[in-house]
Amino acid sequence: SQKIEQNSEALNIQEGKTATLTCNYTNYSPAYLQWYRQDPGRGPVFLLLIRENEKEKRKERLKVTFDTTLKQSLFHITASQPADSATYLCARGNSGGYQKVTFGTGTKLQVIP
Amino acid sequence: EAGVTQFPSHSVIEKGQTVTLRCDPISGHDNLYWYRRVMGKEIKFLLHFVKESKQDESGMPNNRFLAERTGGTYSTLKVQPAELEDSGVYFCASSRGGAYNSPLHFGNGTRLTVT
Repeated sequence: SQKIEQNSEALNIQEGKTATLTCNYTNYSPAYLQWYRQDPGRGPVFLLLIRENEKEKRKERLKVTFDTTLKQSLFHITASQPADSATYLCARGNSGGYQKVTFGTGTKLQVIP
Repeated sequence: EAGVTQFPSHSVIEKGQTVTLRCDPISGHDNLYWYRRVMGKEIKFLLHFVKESKQDESGMPNNRFLAERTGGTYSTLKVQPAELEDSGVYFCASSRGGAYNSPLHFGNGTRLTVT
């Protein structure tokens, strides 16, 4: 089966540092990977998408990589702020006309002032 | 634009009862999805509508779950009769297009507790 594995342990980092979250997938490469942010009691909020043929995508302080050899995506937040504290979800999707995505369980990030 | 809204935000029912969850997608979004997170697990796909048509309901757990989207606007998800294992958070998401380049917009979910 197609799985997404994220480190279930919380990640604590100091404000101003770069946070790096890891997402590993099993079996064949997905057509794309998505990253979402989720705050307590709220639904996931889409942040970034990276396709299989892309190595890296950036959006403001966010950067995502896709390594098909390692079967891994890394999600970076540079110059992290306490407001970045949340759970970050990785999701994989396959080609097709709709988004039946498979989520990981998420990694909780805590940015300490 | 108004986001995806779900009602109720919380529901506590007894085993054997019926519950109906409602989702209002963003106006103009033809694609509507239901996802669910049971405690300690990842968010999982339940089904997908395009307008009023079910395109994929492969994630629906069993025939106690019935989703509808009459008129292609809001959607309901009925659980009848509810079982303890149905407890979890039910998320609705919508997108304008179906493909990956049309981001999913999620509602805040309905937390269902079956006692």
